Amino acid sequence: EIVLTQSPGTLSLSPGERATLACRASQSVSSSYLAWYQQKPGQAPRLLIYGASSRATGIPDRFSGSGSGTDFTLTISRLEPEDFAVYYCQQYGLSSITFGQGTRLQIK
Amino acid sequence: EVQLVESGGGLVKPGGSLRLSCAASGFTFINYSMNWVRQAPGKGLEWVSSISNSGTYIYQADSLKGRFTISRDNAKNSLYLQINNLRVEDTAVYYCARGQYSGYGFDYWGQGTLVTVSS
Repeated sequence: EIVLTQSPGTLSLSPGERATLACRASQSVSSSYLAWYQQKPGQAPRLLIYGASSRATGIPDRFSGSGSGTDFTLTISRLEPEDFAVYYCQQYGLSSITFGQGTRLQIK
Repeated sequence: EVQLVESGGGLVKPGGSLRLSCAASGFTFINYSMNWVRQAPGKGLEWVSSISNSGTYIYQADSLKGRFTISRDNAKNSLYLQINNLRVEDTAVYYCARGQYSGYGFDYWGQGTLVTVSS
């Protein structure tokens, strides 16, 4: 099973700042199989990025994904108040799917 | 509008069983793979199981094999999760989620149903 480790655990930033969230895999992951989600309290997760860098439908272009192999990044170029939430990366392995433990993005 | 509505959660004693349901609408159900993901209180997301559009292929988290069974009824646009021999650590919100038609990712999620296992 591929383990995904997200860092940092908590990120404290102010609106307007740039956020960089990392996701490291225990073994190489095809870029096609890496996704990112946002979850706000009391809500279901929302798909942000799939295929490591493709934005899902309706996702603002301030969200971008990059990376390959074992290291992936979610970047939010300029934080809006509604972006403060928990973010998860996800990978599709051979007959197995795993999520990272999440990064909490909070207002500084 | 795509909608996924879970039901069947509740309070169950350890050792009991539950069948969760997910009613899908607003899309051609038979064209999509479907998934169950759970989230224990205050914890992260845990993938439970996935089923292909036809139901031919089923995948499940190794740690949950033997007690969880995913199934679907394409005629009823419904997804199911049978959970047997429930344990306290199965307490969680259970979400159903649709697999993207193109690309990998879960593009629509239900609101979740809470399963509480307690004596």
